[in-house]
Amino acid sequence: NAGVTQTPKFQVLKTGQSMTLQCAQDMNHEYMSWYRQDPGMGLRLIHYSVGAGITDQGEVPNGYNVSRSTTEDFPLRLLSAAPSQTSVYFCASRRDMDAYEQYFGPGTRLTVT
Amino acid sequence: QQQVKQSPQSLIVQKGGIPIINCAYENTAFDYFPWYQQFPGKGPALLIAIRPDVSEKKEGRFTISFNKSAKQFSLHIMDSQPGDSATYFCAARVQGGSEKLVFGKGTKLTVNP
Repeated sequence: NAGVTQTPKFQVLKTGQSMTLQCAQDMNHEYMSWYRQDPGMGLRLIHYSVGAGITDQGEVPNGYNVSRSTTEDFPLRLLSAAPSQTSVYFCASRRDMDAYEQYFGPGTRLTVT
Repeated sequence: QQQVKQSPQSLIVQKGGIPIINCAYENTAFDYFPWYQQFPGKGPALLIAIRPDVSEKKEGRFTISFNKSAKQFSLHIMDSQPGDSATYFCAARVQGGSEKLVFGKGTKLTVNP
């Protein structure tokens, strides 16, 4: 049981480039979400999904797209990277909307120059 | 209304000391208050959690104290060890099973040998 996995671990982009951060979980969890972590800002929710085919915006969704075609995968797309998107990104999942425990992936450190 | 305010931002104690991290909230619809522990380079992991119908919960050296009337909760670490050095996040979940888990901004704890 790998839990929540994220790739890549590190990424450097130039302003304007696009890329996809990958997230997968093997726990058959319905709920998945993406956070960004910045110094002094805590964890801020970007997008979330309550199940395959269903996504919604979180606190800071601008500049990011998501889709959920399968239960296991929840990729995060940066359409046109900006320096303000330099951050550490965490994917998380939990069993369903009533579950209390949320599992986080190891994170992707993204730098946009 | 959705915020969880966490203090202090950083904390340094000697081995064996009892660091205390505090969180306060306004939204009475919160129904679950977890604490997450994050080591450098890792994703946050659930440490301990409490529901508002309980005033205290202990798990090993970690204790949550909950004051419903004051809308405050705190984490105490007994006999702290250098291995406890990490960033700690309090969080609160909105009642009704919403995905929205609201995080405090984190406390960086350093336990000196």
